[in-house]
Amino acid sequence: SQKIEQNSEALNIQEGKTATLTCNYTNYSPAYLQWYRQDPGRGPVFLLLIRENEKEKRKERLKVTFDTTLKQSLFHITASQPADSATYLCALGRTGNQFYFGTGTSLTVIP
Amino acid sequence: DAGVTQSPTHLIKTRGQQVTLRCSPKSGHDTVSWYQQALGQGPQFIFQYYEEEERQRGNFPDRFSGHQFPNYSSELNVNALLLGDSALYLCASSVLGRERYNEQFFGPGTRLTVL
Repeated sequence: SQKIEQNSEALNIQEGKTATLTCNYTNYSPAYLQWYRQDPGRGPVFLLLIRENEKEKRKERLKVTFDTTLKQSLFHITASQPADSATYLCALGRTGNQFYFGTGTSLTVIP
Repeated sequence: DAGVTQSPTHLIKTRGQQVTLRCSPKSGHDTVSWYQQALGQGPQFIFQYYEEEERQRGNFPDRFSGHQFPNYSSELNVNALLLGDSALYLCASSVLGRERYNEQFFGPGTRLTVL
């Protein structure tokens, strides 16, 4: 079955720096990959989607890369702010809306 | 637009009982997916409903069943509750058919505790 791994440790970075989160997968060939943000006690909030034929996607301070050869996606938050502190989830999909989620990476941005 | 709403917010049940969770999708959305999220884990796909039928199902036992109504709202039923069913249950809505890759909007979830 598919396996999706995100940064195993929580990530702490200084405000203003770039946060980089990883999502690695095996036994799966996704057609697209999504990144979500989740705050404690809340549902995930969609951030970005990238398709298998796209290498990079940007939205404001966010950037996602997708390497289907390495089976890896990187998620970058530039000029990070304390308000960016949350858990970030990657989710892989192939058809319809069935997604396989990773376990998430907890990010803390220190003022 | 109220977005995706779920009820109840919290629920406490005992082993062996049955529970029904409810979800109202975002206005204009026709597809509802249910996920189970255990503490410290990512959401696990349970099933998806479209046009009042179950379209896709994840690796969950038959104790988990659902329904979608003509107004697109949905229910998740869990029978014979086990301690391991304690989790945050998330509902997500989307629009199927307009594009293959569709953004899902999640509700706040229902926290189920089984004692």
